[in-house]
Amino acid sequence: QQPVQSPQAVILREGEDAVINCSSSKALYSVHWYRQKHGEAPVFLMILLKGGEQMRHEKISASFNEKKQQSSLYLTASQLSYSGTYFCQGRGGADGLTFGKGTHLIIQP
Amino acid sequence: IAGITQAPTSQILAAGRRMTLRCTQDMRHNAMYWYRQDLGLGLRLIHYSNTAGTTGKGEVPDGYSVSRANTDDFPLTLASAVPSQTSVYFCASSVQRDSPLHFGNGTRLTVT
Repeated sequence: QQPVQSPQAVILREGEDAVINCSSSKALYSVHWYRQKHGEAPVFLMILLKGGEQMRHEKISASFNEKKQQSSLYLTASQLSYSGTYFCQGRGGADGLTFGKGTHLIIQP
Repeated sequence: IAGITQAPTSQILAAGRRMTLRCTQDMRHNAMYWYRQDLGLGLRLIHYSNTAGTTGKGEVPDGYSVSRANTDDFPLTLASAVPSQTSVYFCASSVQRDSPLHFGNGTRLTVT
């Protein structure tokens, strides 16, 4: 079952902040985040582990609340290079290789 | 440069034809995956392989088959292509099942 991402799309001005959420209906032991720029392949950003700390990639950080089965991606002081589609992938149980439908992030100058 | 190579980059295929998408990795990763990406639907898993010699079905396996004869290669075959299989196909690999995925550059397939 696919994780549910929200919002579906975000439009920001450069320097603004955004939060992208990822929720699962099943128990997770980790969450992976990826970013895909237009016309390119997805690229791994970070992994959040059950019981682990908040992670950071440049000015992008993420948290994982295993009780709520939810992860959030925080983009601080967004840059033009952050534009793209962000996908979460929840890992749990025998499967867990499915991605959310993605959140489209557009950063305007 | 280590990574994943997919071929062809793009292909236009007549419905009913057989097609094999190639995927090769030189990172000695144990696990490999095939995803298709369609607008509004995100990345959907077709088939996966946790290790050479084993394969498993993903979310959308119908109409596709895979094999994993060795560690490096993971071809995806469409036995008889249909227009609904028009998509961008991504091959990915990971050190092991729970590790981060590394993606190839994708194959854009159009079935007419």
